[in-house]
Amino acid sequence: GENVEQHPSTLSVQEGDSAVIKCTYSDSASNYFPWYKQELGKRPQLIIDIRSNVGEKKDQRIAVTLNKTAKHFSLHITETQPEDSAVYFCAASTPLDLYSGGGADGLTFGKGTHLIIQP
Amino acid sequence: DTGVSQDPRHKITKRGQNVTFRCDPISEHNRLYWYRQTLGQGPEFLTYFQNEAQLEKSRLLSDRFSAERPKGSFSTLEIQRTEQGDSAMYLCASSEGTEGNTIYFGEGSWLTVV
Repeated sequence: GENVEQHPSTLSVQEGDSAVIKCTYSDSASNYFPWYKQELGKRPQLIIDIRSNVGEKKDQRIAVTLNKTAKHFSLHITETQPEDSAVYFCAASTPLDLYSGGGADGLTFGKGTHLIIQP
Repeated sequence: DTGVSQDPRHKITKRGQNVTFRCDPISEHNRLYWYRQTLGQGPEFLTYFQNEAQLEKSRLLSDRFSAERPKGSFSTLEIQRTEQGDSAMYLCASSEGTEGNTIYFGEGSWLTVV
């Protein structure tokens, strides 16, 4: 099955600086890579995602890059603000195997990165 | 609010008791997922449904766990003979059901087994 590694586990940056979180995945069949932000006691909320036919995607201060050959993808947050403080999870999704009738088109998550924005 | 809703939000139960959680997915979402999340970890996949059919179960889902989605709409997750190790947040999520669709999570149901 898929295995997702995420680094670092904790990241502390000064307000206004950039933050980068990196993930690697093991299954070359994975084709969808979302990033979720989770505040304490709240649901994971999708902040950006990328599909395997795209190398980079940007949404205001947030960007994600994907290197399919190396099987890694990264989240970049620029001009960080206090409200960016949260736990961020990367995930990878392997498509449903329609021929075997099995295989979860669900998500395999990394262990999370606790991002701390220092004022 | 048309998001994924879960009930109850919090449940404290004694070891050995049974508990049931309910999930109402986003309307017209064909796929419904259950995940479990413990403190400091990412969500772990438990099982998912395509309409009313349960298509996959993780090895994390022991025989004490059962999930249903009888009419292809809401789903229930029952844990029988709860153990302290079952203490976690149980997250429900849904998606439209085509490959690589965005998965939306509910707020979760916190279970504490004492």
